[in-house]
Amino acid sequence: QSALTQPASVSGSPGQSITISCTGTSSDVGGYNYVSWYQQHPGKAPKLMIYDVSNRPSGVSNRFSGSKSGNTASLTISGLQAEDEADYYCSSYTSSSTLLYVFGTGTKVTVL
Amino acid sequence: QVQLVQSGAEVKKPGSSVKVSCKASGGTFSSYAISWVRQAPGQGLEWMGRIIPILGIANYAQKFQGRVTITADKSTSTAYMELSSLRSEDTAVYYCARGPPRGGSPLDYWGQGTLVTVSS
Repeated sequence: QSALTQPASVSGSPGQSITISCTGTSSDVGGYNYVSWYQQHPGKAPKLMIYDVSNRPSGVSNRFSGSKSGNTASLTISGLQAEDEADYYCSSYTSSSTLLYVFGTGTKVTVL
Repeated sequence: QVQLVQSGAEVKKPGSSVKVSCKASGGTFSSYAISWVRQAPGQGLEWMGRIIPILGIANYAQKFQGRVTITADKSTSTAYMELSSLRSEDTAVYYCARGPPRGGSPLDYWGQGTLVTVSS
């Protein structure tokens, strides 16, 4: 079971929108609506930002939104702010016999 | 407010074992699943396994089968992750995280992380 594929880095200017992709297979992303997204600032624990493809936990800004098409999930950050600069990881349930969760490779978001 | 508080940093010799604890407060410990996720320096997140305390059932990533044991003590709302036969590649920050028991559930609360350094 390989990690889900994310771009290594994405950047944008304040106020812009960016989208991070997360590509898997029909055994994980494409097969279930159980994709989550996590934000991680340096030296901190990950924070849940999106769950079940497009749901936001209480307290998470509505500037964060999620979607999925086929085997690829996406996280969009609109109205980019300085504090959005962080690493972002997707994760998905997987029907693999070897594990329950698979994480993405991670994307570094830089606010220019 | 749910909190997961982990034990402190550890330095271990190759071939030894480490046991990390994760104490939960502010929620219903037994009815959730506690996962363990590790992150090697400069690397991504890696799921190791999880336990559902109310059932006492643990699932492990195949990569760690035979080397990792995850347990839970309902009386103290504490989960444990023990990793044996340590090697340098196990140097990482180890996180516990809580989520509903269904497969693929989001990990909504995380511990602060425990740095485990494996060095001779």
